[in-house]
Amino acid sequence: QSVLTQPPSVSGAPGQRVTISCTGSSSNIGAGYDVHWYQQLPGTAPKLLIYANTNRPSGVPDRFSGSRSGTSASLAITGLQAEDEADYYCQSYDSTLLRVFGGGTKLTVL
Amino acid sequence: QVQLQQWGAGLLKPSETLSLTCAVYGGSFSGYYWSWIRQPPGKGLEWVGEINHSGSTNYNPSLKSRVTISIHTSKNQFSLRLNSVTDADTAVYYCARRLASRPWDYWGQGTLVTVSS
Repeated sequence: QSVLTQPPSVSGAPGQRVTISCTGSSSNIGAGYDVHWYQQLPGTAPKLLIYANTNRPSGVPDRFSGSRSGTSASLAITGLQAEDEADYYCQSYDSTLLRVFGGGTKLTVL
Repeated sequence: QVQLQQWGAGLLKPSETLSLTCAVYGGSFSGYYWSWIRQPPGKGLEWVGEINHSGSTNYNPSLKSRVTISIHTSKNQFSLRLNSVTDADTAVYYCARRLASRPWDYWGQGTLVTVSS
């Protein structure tokens, strides 16, 4: 049972827009702590996708965007491409558990 | 270009001690937090703990009694020891780097550690 809750899976056709939610509580996201997002391709280490809620590291396409509101955060991917098929994880700070992850969401490009 | 290269024993028996080391190449060692994160097969990510260049540590409360992370600044390396392993500790273990108040930006390649009798 992860501290941050994500849907196990989402899917979309090429070119479409998908969103992945990340729901926390008053001890983590709701307390104002930043949310970060990672993309993990099969057999590889996670890659930082979004940091501090809305910011993209250099090299990450602007098709990826993040937002945070209240006790939740979201990752949006527009113009879906086959190469986006991966697992996505949200991550934040919790006042008790320190660094916490969501359970992960598997994105399937139809 | 920053690179994290990790190594350690991949097969352990229950009750043994897991030991992994991560070497950092191509960047400053000071000013960062050096972390261990694990991922059981087919499951999600779990933060294990971290250490900064001064040796200050933070551990996952659920693992704190069994974990020790140490740093070797002269070698630009840091290490993980996890005592009394069980099947539940079977996972790919990653080392990673982050700045204070920032997420992990560089990761090691991962090491699969299997605990089996």
